[in-house]
Amino acid sequence: AQSVTQLDSQVPVFEEAPVELRCNYSSSVSVYLFWYVQYPNQGLQLLLKYLSGSTLVKGINGFEAEFNKSQTSFHLRKPSVHISDTAEYFCAVSDRNGGFKTIFGAGTRLFVKA
Amino acid sequence: DTGVSQNPRHKITKRGQNVTFRCDPISEHNRLYWYRQTLGQGPEFLTYFQNEAQLEKSRLLSDRFSAERPKGSFSTLEIQRTEQGDSAMYLCASSGSYTDTQYFGPGTRLTVL
Repeated sequence: AQSVTQLDSQVPVFEEAPVELRCNYSSSVSVYLFWYVQYPNQGLQLLLKYLSGSTLVKGINGFEAEFNKSQTSFHLRKPSVHISDTAEYFCAVSDRNGGFKTIFGAGTRLFVKA
Repeated sequence: DTGVSQNPRHKITKRGQNVTFRCDPISEHNRLYWYRQTLGQGPEFLTYFQNEAQLEKSRLLSDRFSAERPKGSFSTLEIQRTEQGDSAMYLCASSGSYTDTQYFGPGTRLTVL
């Protein structure tokens, strides 16, 4: 079974500052890793995903994440945030052999202040 | 590609009533997933279909919950004898056979009074 821990429930940050949203996972099998964003009153949207290969993954809206197998982490970063990045961010894992059932973390609320 | 659609978007019901939600996936996608999301939590997996076959069900899915995908296209999720604890956002997602990316619908928000 897999599990996901998002280490911060809320992250306040000033506009144009860098941000890191932390995610750790546990699994006994190989997994795919994802970050999703959920804007207020909207559905989940895929930001980026790690399947294999390069451990640094770039996604939409200037976000990137780095897969660290030894630390079982998949932290999300952005060098300079905008007010419009205010949203809920979810880290997720899926079993490579499990039909892509996805296990989500509890989410991190990113709040960008002017 | 019109995306994943869900109906209704909101449902208010009284405890003990039955409710049914519908999900229309992206047309060429053969995998369909149901999740439940409560306030302040991430989505929790409920069940998933490949074509019309229901391949996995979560332990969260009590016997009051049933999901169907009769022709491998749209799916319905029914909750019988609703309880206040069933109040949540119910999310549907779909994906193609050879892709890992799930596309989510806007969800159906259920409120049980």
